[in-house]
Amino acid sequence: EADIYQTPRYLVIGTGKKITLECSQTMGHDKMYWYQQDPGMELHLIHYSYGVNSTEKGDLSSESTVSRIRTEHFPLTLESARPSHTSQYLCASSEYGRTNEKLFFGSGTQLSVL
Amino acid sequence: AQSVAQPEDQVNVAEGNPLTVKCTYSVSGNPYLFWYVQYPNRGLQFLLKYITGDNLVKGSYGFEAEFNKSQTSFHLKKPSALVSDSALYFCAAMAGSARQLTFGSGTQLTVLP
Repeated sequence: EADIYQTPRYLVIGTGKKITLECSQTMGHDKMYWYQQDPGMELHLIHYSYGVNSTEKGDLSSESTVSRIRTEHFPLTLESARPSHTSQYLCASSEYGRTNEKLFFGSGTQLSVL
Repeated sequence: AQSVAQPEDQVNVAEGNPLTVKCTYSVSGNPYLFWYVQYPNRGLQFLLKYITGDNLVKGSYGFEAEFNKSQTSFHLKKPSALVSDSALYFCAAMAGSARQLTFGSGTQLTVLP
């Protein structure tokens, strides 16, 4: 069983609110990712990190930001949520090394912005 | 640019019958290919991967996948389906020079008792 945790599981908020989605892993993985998933659609990478103080934007443009101050923690923040941000957000981590791209995923956060 | 296609949104199969979930990819150079499964209210779980070597890759829960370079396909298979195999399956690919995985849109597998 993967040791990667996301909180909250579900979040319903009003437009304009600032929110932070939490993601923590206890496996000591250097690489961490945030994906966005709409129902029936493919996962889209929005942010990733190769280690502490490393953050990169992914393929999908996102108004969110991330930080990586500690290896185990990779929070995602929306400064001002909008209805278009309604989606499922999945956090993942993996071990270092190109041929070992086995991803471990959290259970996701379902965000609804009213 | 990398891309992954899963042409079937939904696959239904009777329990005990063989199942196939299709995946085709487009990457530059030699591909690294993966299958993930997502059960309801759970995160994605790794099933298997192809990096190099034997074209038939065996993975978790009795699943296997066949790499076909000429058809750029990586179909997921299982000889005898179980009701508990019902889930959402994602194919993913990356080129050797790429830094990130590209996922397909997913295929919902339903195994009927």
